[in-house]
Amino acid sequence: DGGITQSPKYLFRKEGQNVTLSCEQNLNHDAMYWYRQDPGQGLRLIYYSQIVNDFQKGDIAEGYSVSREKKESFPLTVTSAQKNPTAFYLCASKVQGAVDTQYFGPGTRLTVL
Amino acid sequence: KNEVEQSPQNLTAQEGEFITINCSYSVGISALHWLQQHPGGGIVSLFMLSSGKKKHGRLIATINIQEKHSSLHITASHPRDSAVYICASQKLVFGQGTRLTINP
Repeated sequence: DGGITQSPKYLFRKEGQNVTLSCEQNLNHDAMYWYRQDPGQGLRLIYYSQIVNDFQKGDIAEGYSVSREKKESFPLTVTSAQKNPTAFYLCASKVQGAVDTQYFGPGTRLTVL
Repeated sequence: KNEVEQSPQNLTAQEGEFITINCSYSVGISALHWLQQHPGGGIVSLFMLSSGKKKHGRLIATINIQEKHSSLHITASHPRDSAVYICASQKLVFGQGTRLTINP
């Protein structure tokens, strides 16, 4: 079945450590996105990629980094520079250029201790 | 002021009630998405609409592009409808979500 997978579902890290969140899709979508969700707030865009080997900063990119070496994969690294990393992280993908539905992964809840 | 605003932020109702969630936006858009986020966090896309009305089961979404307003209606609400409902512009600006709780 086609879809987006994120792993792990729950992740705990000590303060000061970098952590990488996985996002994989087999929908053959060009565009992939990373969002952060905090209680009582809407989804906020961290980074997006419209094509392999290219990505753009979103609204809250500071303290995060991404790579897009393969069409299927768009990992997000939460670095120690991110001041408030504890949040729910959602990955999404869609066909680039279309006013089309985004497909979301199940999310990863990151807690920094 | 956010580009996309939802109301109410929280809504509690009894099973069977007719539910309306509103979304208004301050910039011109050509389409709007309605999403449903379950308590576990997973998000499902419900509708993408650019005009008029769409219906899927007990869910109905309407949009008025000129008035910059969209509504999501749920008829004969059920406890399993309890979730956060999010609207988003086609430019992927998201509302803050409406937390809906349907009590049996």
